[in-house]
Amino acid sequence: DAGVIQSPRHEVTEMGQEVTLRCKPISGHNSLFWYRQTMMRGLELLIYFNNNVPIDDSGMPEDRFSAKMPNASFSTLKIQPSEPRDSAVYFCASSSQTGSESYNEQFFGPGTRLTVL
Amino acid sequence: AQKVTQAQTEISVVEKEDVTLDCVYETRDTTYYLFWYKQPPSGELVFLIRRNSFDEQNEISGRYSWNFQKSTSSFNFTITASQVVDSAVYFCALSEGETGGFKTIFGAGTRLFVKA
Repeated sequence: DAGVIQSPRHEVTEMGQEVTLRCKPISGHNSLFWYRQTMMRGLELLIYFNNNVPIDDSGMPEDRFSAKMPNASFSTLKIQPSEPRDSAVYFCASSSQTGSESYNEQFFGPGTRLTVL
Repeated sequence: AQKVTQAQTEISVVEKEDVTLDCVYETRDTTYYLFWYKQPPSGELVFLIRRNSFDEQNEISGRYSWNFQKSTSSFNFTITASQVVDSAVYFCALSEGETGGFKTIFGAGTRLFVKA
């Protein structure tokens, strides 16, 4: 399996611009998580989905952030408008909740390093 | 509410020393999972171990070992005979059972420096 795929790997944008981060989970996984990692705040869970349905978005910092999962193989995290303080590495992870050997283990993508100027 | 505390921000050891990374967790669920992940300087997050709340048996994998004690809500990680390649940030994580929807919370991480 290719693992969790994220794109782009790096994104540099200017304040005020819209940013869309993309994630393709591992095939067969039914849970998907978006995290943000910064030096100051560490790894923060932003939102997670079970079976394409958002379960908990309490970690989403502001209304400028939104996430969708239109189908089991794709999710987006959008920031509109972006601000310099959004600069971070954004990780997507997926997991299986169906009782396999990797039950509940999260497989992480390589991350998207976002820089907002 | 769930919480994971990794009190050690940074640890520095000399190669071949043993080192233990502490993890203390809080949860009200009886069903939960504990994890350790490694984040090397390259940035990716690598799964190391998963332990469920009903299995307190300690585990050893090569130079790595884990000590799970429900009585003290701890899930500590020991590296024996550390190597420079062990230098990384290590995260402990907690995922609650059905009531939490398997939401996972990570600790702040412990940065381990292993010097040659």
